[in-house]
Amino acid sequence: QSVLTQPPSASGTPGQRVTISCSGSSSNIGSNYVYWYQQLPGTAPKLLIYRNNQRPSGVPDRFSGSKSGTSASLAISGLRSEDEADYYCAAWDDSLSWVFGGGTKLTVL
Amino acid sequence: QLQLQESGPGLVKPSETLSLTCTVSGGSISSSSYYWGWIRQPPGKGLEWIGSIYYSGSTYYNPSLKSRVTISVDTSKNQFSLKLSSVTAADTAVYYCARHGIMITFGGVIALDWFDPWGQGTLVTVSS
Repeated sequence: QSVLTQPPSASGTPGQRVTISCSGSSSNIGSNYVYWYQQLPGTAPKLLIYRNNQRPSGVPDRFSGSKSGTSASLAISGLRSEDEADYYCAAWDDSLSWVFGGGTKLTVL
Repeated sequence: QLQLQESGPGLVKPSETLSLTCTVSGGSISSSSYYWGWIRQPPGKGLEWIGSIYYSGSTYYNPSLKSRVTISVDTSKNQFSLKLSSVTAADTAVYYCARHGIMITFGGVIALDWFDPWGQGTLVTVSS
């Protein structure tokens, strides 16, 4: 059971906009930054969004992050087949631990 | 370009100690700007942070694993290592090492930030 809650799956068609939610509590998302990682099949996770809504260099602006209260969202616009992957949210918890969501498997139909 | 590579036994017996090393290339592990972390992923499951270390030896550990985990650093070899004792089948996972960023908060406190980049990961199976 993960500390952060994500839907296990999401899907969309090419060109569509999809969002993935991440729900936490006052001790993690509510008081700390949220991060998003993309894990393509058979590869290591890659940093996608940091500090709620910042994109590392090289990450397309089709990816965006937001946070409100104890929840966060990752939005992907202009969905492409290469976006098919697992997406994980993460945050620091005030219990002195990094916590992750269970992951959302995104399927591009 | 910074790269990280995990190495160590792929099979460990129950009750024994799992030992892995992460070798950093293309950059110095002694940089004052980063911690260095371990994260694991059981087959078909999500990610779990194990712990992170600074080049000085300062560590943060996941409270749920703290009693069994030791992370150390060897700056002369540009490596950091993970030891997990008393392993069970539940410790079977792909183990990743990653650079762990640092940020300065509004209060001037140093806090941990993103994980980037990650090593390719190494599968460790706990079985007799």
